[in-house]
Amino acid sequence: EAGVTQFPSHSVIEKGQTVTLRCDPISGHDNLYWYRRVMGKEIKFLLHFVKESKQDESGMPNNRFLAERTGGTYSTLKVQPAELEDSGVYFCASSQGQGGSPLHFGNGTRLTVT
Amino acid sequence: AQSVTQLDSQVPVFEEAPVELRCNYSSSVSVYLFWYVQYPNQGLQLLLKYLSGSTLVKGINGFEAEFNKSQTSFHLRKPSVHISDTAEYFCAVRGGNTDKLIFGTGTRLQVFP
Repeated sequence: EAGVTQFPSHSVIEKGQTVTLRCDPISGHDNLYWYRRVMGKEIKFLLHFVKESKQDESGMPNNRFLAERTGGTYSTLKVQPAELEDSGVYFCASSQGQGGSPLHFGNGTRLTVT
Repeated sequence: AQSVTQLDSQVPVFEEAPVELRCNYSSSVSVYLFWYVQYPNQGLQLLLKYLSGSTLVKGINGFEAEFNKSQTSFHLRKPSVHISDTAEYFCAVRGGNTDKLIFGTGTRLQVFP
């Protein structure tokens, strides 16, 4: 089966610009998660979709971040306007169920804000 | 709330030596425990998981981990490492009233010839 795919793999933008990250989960996985790792720190949870609904968005840093999952398939994460501290690697993951079902991760998008 | 502590940020080891990467977790409820590995320029890959039952869990690439409830630990071990095991390893916990996967800060394993 195809894994979780993320696009782009790298993005370099200037402060104040807008960037949209995309994630295609494994087909049939209702659960989709976004995580972020800022340089040298832990991988932090951003939010969780079940199908098209936001189950938990407690990790979203502020209202400059907007995540969508229209139709319950792929998801986008938009940062507008980007700030320097938004730099990091953004990971997307999907899982078939919750609890003990493992998360399958994409390769991440490395975002650099200059 | 759950949390995970990985005590060692870096572990250098020679090839064919044994290795243990330490992980301690904090939770007031039963949890599921995972180890993930990230090879350079790749995403996170599941190594192994503990859900219930036998406390010794075997994973891919010869790794195993032991769940110790009394010590709230889930240390990862391999009896003989290879150069190709050089990567960053993350311990993670999930459970209770949240479906979040909570990660530790990671341990960078460097295997030398």
